[in-house]
Amino acid sequence: AQSVTQLDSHVSVSEGTPVLLRCNYSSSYSPSLFWYVQHPNKGLQLLLKYTSAATLVKGINGFEAEFKKSETSFHLTKPSAHMSDAAEYFCVVSPYGQNFVFGPGTRLSVLP
Amino acid sequence: DTEVTQTPKHLVMGMTNKKSLKCEQHMGHRAMYWYKQKAKKPPELMFVYSYEKLSINESVPSRFSPECPNSSLLNLHLHALQPEDSALYLCASSSLTAGNTIYFGEGSWLTVV
Repeated sequence: AQSVTQLDSHVSVSEGTPVLLRCNYSSSYSPSLFWYVQHPNKGLQLLLKYTSAATLVKGINGFEAEFKKSETSFHLTKPSAHMSDAAEYFCVVSPYGQNFVFGPGTRLSVLP
Repeated sequence: DTEVTQTPKHLVMGMTNKKSLKCEQHMGHRAMYWYKQKAKKPPELMFVYSYEKLSINESVPSRFSPECPNSSLLNLHLHALQPEDSALYLCASSSLTAGNTIYFGEGSWLTVV
């Protein structure tokens, strides 16, 4: 069975400081991994995607994530938070086909 | 910008009404999805269409009736809903190739009164 754990339900950072959102997964396959962002009252926007190419994946808005197979992790980072980064972030695993497994989400707050 | 378009953005309906949510994509994707999302929760899968045929139905009550008229369109027909059905309904699409990405629309906010 596939599952996704997002270790923090809420992360709060100050503007200009680094962001780290943690994601661990379990999968019987070599999965594709994604991070999506959802701003209030909006749909989900793709931030970045890993599909067995480079283990360090760069996404939009300065975000990046590193795939570590030995740790079954896919943590999302950004060097410097901006107020506009405040949103809900979902880690998603797709082991195959149309099967997309969502993590519970992490709410990122950015303090001025 | 999202290439999955959903209408209406907001819908208020009574428990005896019949309404429909509509979704359109022009990315040539052959898989389309309906998700339901409650506040502060991840999206929950409701239905998946592959090549315009229903391939996954996650035990959704029959008051929700999906329809896929063609490869670009997806509808969700609503009838005799309950207040607990109030939620954000998200449409999404993806290709059917390995490592495919799922793309979401902005959603339709449904309130059942």
